[in-house]
Amino acid sequence: GQSLEQPSEVTAVEGAIVQINCTYQTSGFYGLSWYQQHDGGAPTFLSYNALDGLEETGRFSSFLSRSDSYGYLLLQELQMKDSASYFCAVREESGGYNKLIFGAGTRLAVHP
Amino acid sequence: DAGVIQSPRHEVTEMGQEVTLRCKPISGHDYLFWYRQTMMRGLELLIYFNNNVPIDDSGMPEDRFSAKMPNASFSTLKIQPSEPRDSAVYFCASSRQREGQDTQYFGPGTRLTVL
Repeated sequence: GQSLEQPSEVTAVEGAIVQINCTYQTSGFYGLSWYQQHDGGAPTFLSYNALDGLEETGRFSSFLSRSDSYGYLLLQELQMKDSASYFCAVREESGGYNKLIFGAGTRLAVHP
Repeated sequence: DAGVIQSPRHEVTEMGQEVTLRCKPISGHDYLFWYRQTMMRGLELLIYFNNNVPIDDSGMPEDRFSAKMPNASFSTLKIQPSEPRDSAVYFCASSRQREGQDTQYFGPGTRLTVL
């Protein structure tokens, strides 16, 4: 089976840095993805880590440690528009098929 | 590129009625996914297709749900008969073969309300 754990809510102020953690348990691991979803919107792909280490894309970075079954999304220079839900996701292999399993999401609130 | 297109964007129907949701994936994408999102259950994969062939439908709740992909540019998700517990946002997503399933592009979703 598959399980992902991430905090349900995080609050931060504009300009700050916030880290959203994700731990996972999986029978087979391919990589860790992150998606952003604004209220009333659709999930949008942010990043994918297949190997250990840090991947940077502008203000957002994503980290993976396969040995610790752990990853995080780092958001820097927070802006009000970053207020959204952030989902980590891993691919599960089951019955010869594989599919993406999403965590419950972390709701980030950015305040002035 | 136009992105994934879904219709209708909102659907309100009465219990027992048939509901059909439509999706046009991004041109050239090989995978198509149908998800359902609710507050209680989060984002759940219902079914996915690879090159128009259904691969895994283990997430389809019950026989009232069916999905088809008659060609590379069109898919439908049908609920018959609909029930109030089917109320949710239904997303369609697509991805390229070379990116696998990890990089998915979601449509705007259909918000379904069953009264």
